[in-house]
Amino acid sequence: LAKTTQPISMDSYEGQEVNITCSHNNIATNDYITWYQQFPSQGPRFIIQGYKTKVTNEVASLFIPADRKSSTLSLPRVSLSDTAVYYCLVGHGSSNTGKLIFGQGTTLQVKP
Amino acid sequence: DTGVSQNPRHKITKRGQNVTFRCDPISEHNRLYWYRQTLGQGPEFLTYFQNEAQLEKSRLLSDRFSAERPKGSFSTLEIQRTEQGDSAMYLCASSLPPEGAPTDTQYFGPGTRLTVL
Repeated sequence: LAKTTQPISMDSYEGQEVNITCSHNNIATNDYITWYQQFPSQGPRFIIQGYKTKVTNEVASLFIPADRKSSTLSLPRVSLSDTAVYYCLVGHGSSNTGKLIFGQGTTLQVKP
Repeated sequence: DTGVSQNPRHKITKRGQNVTFRCDPISEHNRLYWYRQTLGQGPEFLTYFQNEAQLEKSRLLSDRFSAERPKGSFSTLEIQRTEQGDSAMYLCASSLPPEGAPTDTQYFGPGTRLTVL
């Protein structure tokens, strides 16, 4: 399973766009990239998943360059409620056990 | 609420006691996972069920830990002879991989926070 590297923490202000980049140099051909969000005292929550190029949903966008060795989670116009830990994961899929390997994540602090 | 539920939400116990946690997955989800999370760290995989079969266990799961999913629905995680190092958040997740799809999405419960005194 590919290892991921992401910043430990980031600060932002309300209304700004936040981009969190994750490095996964050893990503395999059949690996997907998934981001989860976790608030204190809650379980992680799925945000977005992608394989290549760009994926957008109602919450975020995920940008994946052609070499797939990194990915960027983009949160538009963050609010205080977006303060959370964001985890980047690669390598899980329904063809195997599907267990998730979490790193330390990026703690995003949104300030007023 | 049709999400994953876990009970109890909090458990305080004394060292040496046994504890049992319950997880009720989303209905019809055939995969169920247990993770453990300590302060400041990401969740760590403990074990995984496909229906009632326990298919994988992490080395983190010592012989004091046992998990069951007897009817392929709810699951229990028991810790015997608890130690202070067992203090953590225990998370349950479930999923239903779409037929033919390369990935699935895991849905997590709120967790059970265990404190061993």
